[in-house]
Amino acid sequence: QSALTQPASVSGSPGQSVTISCTGTSSDVGAYNYISWYQQYPGKAPKVLIYEVSNRPSGVPDRFSGSKSGNTASLTISGLQAEDEADYYCSSYVGASTNVFGTGTKVTVL
Amino acid sequence: EVQLVESGGGLVQPGGSLRLACEASGFTFINYLIDWVRQAPGQGLVWVSRIGGDGTTKSYADSVKGRFTISRDNAKNTVYLQMNSLRAEDTAVYHCARGAAGLDYWGQGTLVTVSS
Repeated sequence: QSALTQPASVSGSPGQSVTISCTGTSSDVGAYNYISWYQQYPGKAPKVLIYEVSNRPSGVPDRFSGSKSGNTASLTISGLQAEDEADYYCSSYVGASTNVFGTGTKVTVL
Repeated sequence: EVQLVESGGGLVQPGGSLRLACEASGFTFINYLIDWVRQAPGQGLVWVSRIGGDGTTKSYADSVKGRFTISRDNAKNTVYLQMNSLRAEDTAVYHCARGAAGLDYWGQGTLVTVSS
């Protein structure tokens, strides 16, 4: 159950697009389409942005999109806004009813 | 309105025990699995444990297996996490979360501090 690998930080200017990668193995990210992405502000509970690789819950802006290729999942934020400055975590099902989170990425809006 | 409220955290000595509770409201509790996720101060999210809606399916992270036990009382809409043999590295905010489309609702968490 090793944590999935994410870049520690990414940054972009307002209006730009940024992509956060989430790299696992053929036993987790590569094996299942149960990939979720979460946004967390300091001192707050996480909020789901994407589930099952690319699905957005109602209320999540379509600026947020998810994808997967092989053992790597990705979250893209298009049209970056100041309110997007937060921590982001991916998560994958790894079998036997267990899950694993990514190491987390801090997004900075320049 | 869906709500999850954790309780039971506090300061405990190494080797001690605590029982966390997660009380749910606003949805048909038995229809949903519940996860526990923890976050050490300044660190990332770590998945801890899961229990299925009827309580028969239970799973644990390797780091807590054999020390933590998850259970639920569907009559009380509550999930419990019994934590034994606590270690300093178990210090964290513990969140419960509802499993549906991802973990779609989270509690605000309860702080567990393991220290002498």
